[in-house]
Amino acid sequence: AQSVAQPEDQVNVAEGNPLTVKCTYSVSGNPYLFWYVQYPNRGLQFLLKYITGDNLVKGSYGFEAEFNKSQTSFHLKKPSALVSDSALYFCAVRDSGYSSASKIIFGSGTRLSIRP
Amino acid sequence: AAGVIQSPRHLIKEKRETATLKCYPIPRHDTVYWYQQGPGQDPQFLISFYEKMQSDKGSIPDRFSAQQFSDYHSELNMSSLELGDSALYFCASSLPTTGELFFGEGSRLTVL
Repeated sequence: AQSVAQPEDQVNVAEGNPLTVKCTYSVSGNPYLFWYVQYPNRGLQFLLKYITGDNLVKGSYGFEAEFNKSQTSFHLKKPSALVSDSALYFCAVRDSGYSSASKIIFGSGTRLSIRP
Repeated sequence: AAGVIQSPRHLIKEKRETATLKCYPIPRHDTVYWYQQGPGQDPQFLISFYEKMQSDKGSIPDRFSAQQFSDYHSELNMSSLELGDSALYFCASSLPTTGELFFGEGSRLTVL
């Protein structure tokens, strides 16, 4: 069974500094990995995904994530944080052996707070 | 661009009543997923459909049922509502070739 762990409930960063939100995963096959962002009382917005190819994936709003197979990690990064990046971030995984509609499993979420 | 449409956005019910949530996927998306998100919780997978057939099942209570119709919209039916059913219910859709899910804005169910 697949699982996702986000070890940090909250990450605090000053505006303009780089940020990292951590994620580790466990799947039986090759992983399909995703990051989503959620603003209060809103739906989840897709940021980026890793399916195959380059380990560094670039996504929306200047975010990127690095896939590390040996460490089973998929950390979300941004070189320079903005106050508007403050939100709840979810890492998610799907086993590559998935059927057409198999589920994506979410981590517990990390609240990112960017101070001016 | 068209997004996933969910209705109603807000719903208030009494205990033991029934509720129906509707989801209209992005055009040409043939796969629909339902998730439940309690306060301060991560989204929990309930059920998914591909080409109108149930594809995967998660922690959906027996009191809940869902289906996908010929126009690909989906409905989640909830009966004998309990206080613990109060949550945000998200629908998502996808194409099987792309992998990522696109979420609606959610339906907030409050059970009193």
